[in-house]
Amino acid sequence: EDKVVQSPLSLVVHEGDTVTLNCSYEVTNFRSLLWYKQEKKAPTFLFMLTSSGIEKKSGRLSSILDKKELFSILNITATQTGDSAVYLCAVVGYGDYKLSFGAGTTVTVRA
Amino acid sequence: DAEITQSPRHKITETGRQVTLACHQTWNHNNMFWYRQDLGHGLRLIHYSYGVHDTNKGEVSDGYSVSRSNTEDLPLTLESAASSQTSVYFCASSTGTENTEAFFGQGTRLTVV
Repeated sequence: EDKVVQSPLSLVVHEGDTVTLNCSYEVTNFRSLLWYKQEKKAPTFLFMLTSSGIEKKSGRLSSILDKKELFSILNITATQTGDSAVYLCAVVGYGDYKLSFGAGTTVTVRA
Repeated sequence: DAEITQSPRHKITETGRQVTLACHQTWNHNNMFWYRQDLGHGLRLIHYSYGVHDTNKGEVSDGYSVSRSNTEDLPLTLESAASSQTSVYFCASSTGTENTEAFFGQGTRLTVV
């Protein structure tokens, strides 16, 4: 069974701080790792990572994957109150399509 | 615009009743999924389907069933609702090609009293 562990479970930062979220995984025949943001309702897609060492970037958010050590990090720089959300990490095995999720990290950004 | 919709958005039901939650997508996606979300557990997979007439059990399938009679719909049925099934339920879909993300509906908050 696939296993995804996210850390920390929650954190509180102030606007302008940098946040680093961690996701470690165990999955049979890894294919991809996905990050989602959830603000009170439907999770929305952020990044999909399939190759080690290649950073994906979107504005102040970036993410990278290490397939040797089986983890990914999501960075948020210059945080804003709108970044407050639950960030979810999920993995997909090769030849499969279902996502296995971690418990999520709740980020609270205070003004 | 193509989308994925869930109904109802909120429901209160009594223990022992049968309940069906609807999920409808207009992307013509092959893959559809049902997850439940509870505090401290993230999203847990209930059932999923990779095409018409295909259904598979997820990690928390006991007490739930699904059927896929067309591409657009994957209704989730709680055979006999229990208080432990109080949760927020999310439906999702994806294309069925490699390395594509899943898109989520807005969720259904179900309370079993």
